[in-house]
Amino acid sequence: RKEVEQDPGPFNVPEGATVAFNCTYSNSASQSFFWYRQDCRKEPKLLMSVYSSGNEDGRFTAQLNRASQYISLLIRDSKLSDSATYLCVVIRGNTGKLIFGQGTTLQVKP
Amino acid sequence: GAGVSQSPSNKVTEKGKDVELRCDPISGHTALYWYRQSLGQGLEFLIYFQGNSAPDKSGLPSDRFSAERTGGSVSTLTIQRTQQEDSAVYLCASSLRQLDTDTQYFGPGTRLTVL
Repeated sequence: RKEVEQDPGPFNVPEGATVAFNCTYSNSASQSFFWYRQDCRKEPKLLMSVYSSGNEDGRFTAQLNRASQYISLLIRDSKLSDSATYLCVVIRGNTGKLIFGQGTTLQVKP
Repeated sequence: GAGVSQSPSNKVTEKGKDVELRCDPISGHTALYWYRQSLGQGLEFLIYFQGNSAPDKSGLPSDRFSAERTGGSVSTLTIQRTQQEDSAVYLCASSLRQLDTDTQYFGPGTRLTVL
């Protein structure tokens, strides 16, 4: 079993839709949590960090449930430019070493 | 300002040859990381440097892989006697320090193809 698991999708949604991605992690020593975005044939870029209290950045909301070892990302009012692969990432302990999920592919259609 | 740069952007080599991949981190970043992204495997950690030291080499897949960093800046990842399964995109990232709270910025990667 992979340490970080995501539904690979693809998720195909119309513009304006709300879409949610889920991620689970297996190591309870995981300490820091992130969502990265990766466009086709490009490098990953940090989308947002994820905090236990939940955090929001514009149309994006991230949630962390430590008890269930579960992370989510909600995208409201999807735009065509949101089409990308979304990577769930954890850091185990204070290592700085990113552990990636397989990624969830989102395709927003007009 | 300048981001993380990597060279070459693409490398095609024959099985059995050695290759050297280079990473130039963001100026002033003390932590440097190497990752690999291959089809079916996703992104996997290889090695990281704090300054010129590599405290964690646990991700290197075999003893054919080695990396060094000099002057707290440029790093090279060397793969000896390349095999077809080494084909992947090799990504380098740097952060200000080796702390979870410091964002890692990725370079564009080197796409390695072993024939």
